[in-house]
Amino acid sequence: DAGVIQSPRHEVTEMGQEVTLRCKPISGHNSLFWYRQTMMRGLELLIYFNNNVPIDDSGMPEDRFSAKMPNASFSTLKIQPSEPRDSAVYFCASSFELLVGTGGVANQPQHFGDGTRLSIL
Amino acid sequence: TQLLEQSPQFLSIQEGENLTVYCNSSSVFSSLQWYRQEPGEGPVLLVTVVTGGEVKKLKRLTFQFGDARKDSSLHITAAQPGDTGLYLCAGDGANDYKLSFGAGTTVTVRA
Repeated sequence: DAGVIQSPRHEVTEMGQEVTLRCKPISGHNSLFWYRQTMMRGLELLIYFNNNVPIDDSGMPEDRFSAKMPNASFSTLKIQPSEPRDSAVYFCASSFELLVGTGGVANQPQHFGDGTRLSIL
Repeated sequence: TQLLEQSPQFLSIQEGENLTVYCNSSSVFSSLQWYRQEPGEGPVLLVTVVTGGEVKKLKRLTFQFGDARKDSSLHITAAQPGDTGLYLCAGDGANDYKLSFGAGTTVTVRA
């Protein structure tokens, strides 16, 4: 089975440009997560979707960041305008979340893509 | 502030030595996951522990979940260079869809 697919693998662009990162989750998964990883801050959750609906975007750093999931097999993370401090590795992950009888959620393992290494000059 | 604190932050050992990585929190988790991340790749799940006091073994790796389900440890016996990587723990609060990740422990095993 194909894993989570992210594109591009590397992106170098100048400050002020628009950047679009893409993610194809594993087929059948109903939750999708966007993370940012830096040496200073580790792995930070930016936003997650369940059944294509954004559930929590509290980790999105600023209005310059936006994410969409138009269907179950595709999501984008857009930065406009980009700034040097946005330089990081951005990961997309997907999983299948189960609702349990007590009303809670049993989180299944998250499957990560190989990330997009973004450099803003 | 990290909900999950991992220690040590860095660990460098010689091949054949043992090591232990810790993951601690003041919060209770319904389960805890351990991931390993190699350079240039995304994290990959190693194991999920669910029951307080649970011990799981994966070849030379032993994972333990604390009785109170607030902490966990990963012990590697006779480490090999292939064990080199960033080890991340992630807690499942069971109230929402997201995991809380620790900052990770970078393990380097020298040949």
